[in-house]
Amino acid sequence: EPEVTQTPSHQVTQMGQEVILRCVPISNHLYFYWYRQILGQKVEFLVSFYNNEISEKSEIFDDQFSVERPDGSNFTLKIRSTKLEDSAMYFCASSDFQPAYNEQFFGPGTRLTVL
Amino acid sequence: SQELEQSPQSLIVQEGKNLTINCTSSKTLYGLYWYKQKYGEGLIFLMMLQKGGEEKSHEKITAKLDEKKQQSSLHITASQPSHAGIYLCGAWPPYFGNEKLTFGTGTRLTIIP
Repeated sequence: EPEVTQTPSHQVTQMGQEVILRCVPISNHLYFYWYRQILGQKVEFLVSFYNNEISEKSEIFDDQFSVERPDGSNFTLKIRSTKLEDSAMYFCASSDFQPAYNEQFFGPGTRLTVL
Repeated sequence: SQELEQSPQSLIVQEGKNLTINCTSSKTLYGLYWYKQKYGEGLIFLMMLQKGGEEKSHEKITAKLDEKKQQSSLHITASQPSHAGIYLCGAWPPYFGNEKLTFGTGTRLTIIP
C-alpha cells in the first residue's frame, strides 16, 4: 500500500541553525501539507501546497519557514533559523483530489529537537 | 475559527470492555475524520463522516455523526491492546475549497489486561 515517507525520523539541531525536513508524498497525489505537533499539544496546520505554490498557510508559518517541491517526488520544509519553540513533531501529508472531504495521508513524522 | 473538543482527555479501559470517545465542534461539521496516533508516530486514518446521522464501522470501531453535525462519537467494542493510542478527530471548516484540517485535543486510550 502506498504511503507517505519522511526523513529523518529525528533531527537534533542548535538554535539558529537551518534545518530541512524531507517528505516523499504518495506518487499520484497533487496536494501536499505540513502539520506540526508540539509535545502534549494539538496537531496544527502549517501550510498546504498545490501546483507548485503555497495555497494556504497558518499564522505559524512565518518568514522563517519555506516549502519546496524540488523534483517530482520530494516535498521539503525548511526552517531558516531554528528557535527553541520550533521543537515539535512535524508531519507531512498528501491527498489526491480536492482536499475537502478527501482523506489526507500522513507520514510517520520527523521529531525536531532544537537545543 | 473551528474548535474541536474531545472527551475524555484520557481513558483507561480493561481489555474486552467497550468504550466511547466524543468529539464536539463549535460549528457545524462539513466533514469529520477520525485518526489514530501511536505515541511518536504518524496519524492513521480510521474513518470519515459527512452526513448528519451517518454511521460507519471498521472491524470493532464504529463512528457516528449526529444529525446536527456538531458532535461525533467513536465507539470501540471489546477493546484489545492494539486499540491503545491517541485518537484524534479532525474537521474541515464549513466552506468549500479550504484545505486546512483542524484537529481536536486528542484522547489517550490505554488498555489494561
